[in-house]
Amino acid sequence: QVQLVESGGGVVQPGGSLRLSCAASGFIFSSYGMHWVRRAPGKGLEWVTFIRYDGSNKFYAESVKGRFTISRDNSKNTLYLQMNSLRTEDTAVYYCAMDTRDLDYWGQGTLVTV
Amino acid sequence: QPVLTQPPSSSASPGESARLTCTLPSDISIDRYKIYWYQQKPGSPPRYLLNYYSDSDKGQGSGVPSRFSGSKDASANAGILLISGLQSEDEADYYCMIWPSNAYCVFGGGTKLTVL
Repeated sequence: QVQLVESGGGVVQPGGSLRLSCAASGFIFSSYGMHWVRRAPGKGLEWVTFIRYDGSNKFYAESVKGRFTISRDNSKNTLYLQMNSLRTEDTAVYYCAMDTRDLDYWGQGTLVTV
Repeated sequence: QPVLTQPPSSSASPGESARLTCTLPSDISIDRYKIYWYQQKPGSPPRYLLNYYSDSDKGQGSGVPSRFSGSKDASANAGILLISGLQSEDEADYYCMIWPSNAYCVFGGGTKLTVL
């Protein structure tokens, strides 16, 4: 079955960097686009970024553009999110999600505290 | 990008129905979009519930009970999530979502549903 496992979260000072990973299994990773979505404490869900199945195109929310970079390694079935110049407002649980239009597969999330 | 407006909170008693709304701005017709709905409980990721475009174009998430259903209210320019026969386990945050393009989605602010 589809499994998405995020890792890499932690506590970082403002201005710092962090790299999140999302290990995928149970499906053909290289055939699917992938998203990162976050939920800040006391707030709602916010779409962050998307990468196409082959990494050819990437899209970002305005709130993270120029600071975050999404990437993937299809040989390792792993999605990444490089987060630089972190701000307190980036504090959130970060989820990776498989692009099935329904967004019916999500990881458990990893907490980033800035 | 479009803004989806959801009331911050709603409540109903067990056995009753809860009608949650997701309103688009007046300059963006609800007719253009399929509306997706998610449930999130504390400490868990969002759970996909269903999508609704029309009565002939809709889908239910795997394992989601039929007492969760979607619709639209064109006069209010809103998507609707109806939960019938409320149970205590339905207490959660509910989010609507649309795809303005193939590459990104937009979530509503969420509604916290309390089962009294």
